[in-house]
Amino acid sequence: QKEVEQDPGPLSVPEGAIVSLNCTYSNSAFQYFMWYRQYSRKGPELLMYTYSSGNKEDGRFTAQVDKSSKYISLFIRDSQPSDSATYLCAMSIPNTPLVFGKGTRLSVIA
Amino acid sequence: KAGVTQTPRYLIKTRGQQVTLSCSPISGHRSVSWYQQTPGQGLQFLFEYFSETQRNKGNFPGRFSGRQFSNSRSEMNVSTLELGDSALYLCASRLGPPNTGELFFGEGSRLTVL
Repeated sequence: QKEVEQDPGPLSVPEGAIVSLNCTYSNSAFQYFMWYRQYSRKGPELLMYTYSSGNKEDGRFTAQVDKSSKYISLFIRDSQPSDSATYLCAMSIPNTPLVFGKGTRLSVIA
Repeated sequence: KAGVTQTPRYLIKTRGQQVTLSCSPISGHRSVSWYQQTPGQGLQFLFEYFSETQRNKGNFPGRFSGRQFSNSRSEMNVSTLELGDSALYLCASRLGPPNTGELFFGEGSRLTVL
């Protein structure tokens, strides 16, 4: 079992839909949780970062962490075609490198 | 402010050859990390350098090596290339020491091994 599991998709939704992206993890020592967005032929860019259980909101994006279930989610409200990208979850134990999920490819259809 | 710059962007090699990839971090950033990205394994950590010293290393064979120069620029080398080394190699930099602060990624060097 990999440390971080993420459904690769692809996920296709109509414009304006609410998107839910999820990752599960096995190592309870993970303390920092991130979501990266990667457009085609580009490098990943940090979208959201949190280190506590609960929700964190930034515009149309909400990151949710449930440490008891070892489950993190990213919600995108009012999805736009410009949100079409691969979304990677990442997490780390303090002072160790990030561990990434494989990414979920999202297409938002106008 | 210029981002992380990786060269070359695309390259094709044959089995048994070696390759060197270059990374220029964001100005002022002192840590440089390298990741390998493949469809099957996703993003996997190779190594991280800070102040010209390797601080962390991932689970890759010794054919993968790297170094960092005094100006924080970094290179990674893969010797005796295998078909399975075909991947997108991503460099990322951060301002401070390893495993602190945000990682900023370059656009990657796409290596194809024939």
